[in-house]
Amino acid sequence: DQQVKQNSPSLSVQEGRISILNCDYTNSMFDYFLWYKKYPAEGPTFLISISSIKDKNEDGRFTVFLNKSAKHLSLHIVPSQPGDSAVYFCAASLFGNEKLTFGTGTRLTIIP
Amino acid sequence: EAGVVQSPRYKIIEKKQPVAFWCNPISGHNTLYWYLQNLGQGPELLIRYENEEAVDDSQLPKDRFSAERLKGVDSTLKIQPAELGDSAVYLCASSRGETQYFGPGTRLLVL
Repeated sequence: DQQVKQNSPSLSVQEGRISILNCDYTNSMFDYFLWYKKYPAEGPTFLISISSIKDKNEDGRFTVFLNKSAKHLSLHIVPSQPGDSAVYFCAASLFGNEKLTFGTGTRLTIIP
Repeated sequence: EAGVVQSPRYKIIEKKQPVAFWCNPISGHNTLYWYLQNLGQGPELLIRYENEEAVDDSQLPKDRFSAERLKGVDSTLKIQPAELGDSAVYLCASSRGETQYFGPGTRLLVL
């Protein structure tokens, strides 16, 4: 049972435009969500997170939106840069339990 | 601040051989995790330590996998004997709060 789903395996975006990566989850008890970025041959790098008490969190070019009623979160990258080309994983955890449940990842390619 | 360190970065062994991976977490991080990542999948938790204590090892295949975290700092994950299906990336992560920071991983190939 895949509790965290990233239904788009890949996404290509023109440099300078907005990249939108989506993530859906099925467990309504998840209360903390994170996005990680992964380059080849490296471990996942923490990007941004959001608590379930919020619906938006911004950090520079990165914004995460959370829609609890739809059990959906998205990561917006504006403007997209070539260095953003990587695999992006969303992850979720339950309150008081530090176990992260990951999605399968979306490969983002920024076209110069 | 130094990140999570893992070694070796790559390992090739024959099936039925033993193998061990080492992890040094970020200084001051009491919580340490071992994850398994198969190709095309997200990381899956194998075991979580709070200091020296393994507080969640429910996903660790205990017939062949073992782990230890002596003195609550470095950790070792062992597989004995290795099987073909163990070929994957083994990731170590550490945290002091809700955010986990990952090492570069050890890529294991079992022939």
